[in-house]
Amino acid sequence: DAGVIQSPRHEVTEMGQEVTLRCKPISGHNSLFWYRQTMMRGLELLIYFNNNVPIDDSGMPEDRFSAKMPNASFSTLKIQPSEPRDSAVYFCASRLPGQGYEKLFFGSGTQLSVL
Amino acid sequence: QKEVEQNSGPLSVPEGAIASLNCTYSDRGSQSFFWYRQYSGKSPELIMSIYSNGDKEDGRFTAQLNKASQYVSLLIRDSQPSDSATYLCAVNRRGNEKLTFGTGTRLTIIP
Repeated sequence: DAGVIQSPRHEVTEMGQEVTLRCKPISGHNSLFWYRQTMMRGLELLIYFNNNVPIDDSGMPEDRFSAKMPNASFSTLKIQPSEPRDSAVYFCASRLPGQGYEKLFFGSGTQLSVL
Repeated sequence: QKEVEQNSGPLSVPEGAIASLNCTYSDRGSQSFFWYRQYSGKSPELIMSIYSNGDKEDGRFTAQLNKASQYVSLLIRDSQPSDSATYLCAVNRRGNEKLTFGTGTRLTIIP
């Protein structure tokens, strides 16, 4: 299995632009998590899905952020409009339903820089 | 108070010595505890999990949990340069999907 695949690996954009981050979970994993990592706040859970349904989006910082999972093999995290404070590494992770965190697999992350 | 607190370091340890990494948490309902290793520019990878008070050993790694003191630690014996990384402590409350991470401790093993 190729693991959790995220794209792009790096994204540089200007303030005010729309940014879309993409994630393909491991096949068969229908729990998907989006995390954001910064030096100051560490790794924070933004939102997670079970069976393509958003379960908890309490970590989404504000309305500028939105996430979708239109099918079991694809999810997006969109920021519109982007701001410099959104600069961070965004990780997607997936696991089988009901599995513990021993079976949580992370993607390689997207390094986002908003100028 | 942060939910999970770690000393950010950097922690420098000579090669071959024992590295000791510490973590405290605020939620007494936490049931599961994890240590992740993250190399620079890479994603976190799980190295240890612990659920009961006491010690859990896996090779050169030992996780220690003290729920009364709300304290988790990770010991790395015979430290190697390849252990140089940031170590993230994470906790989970039963019935809650949220895994809460600390900000990590940067460990450097000095040859």
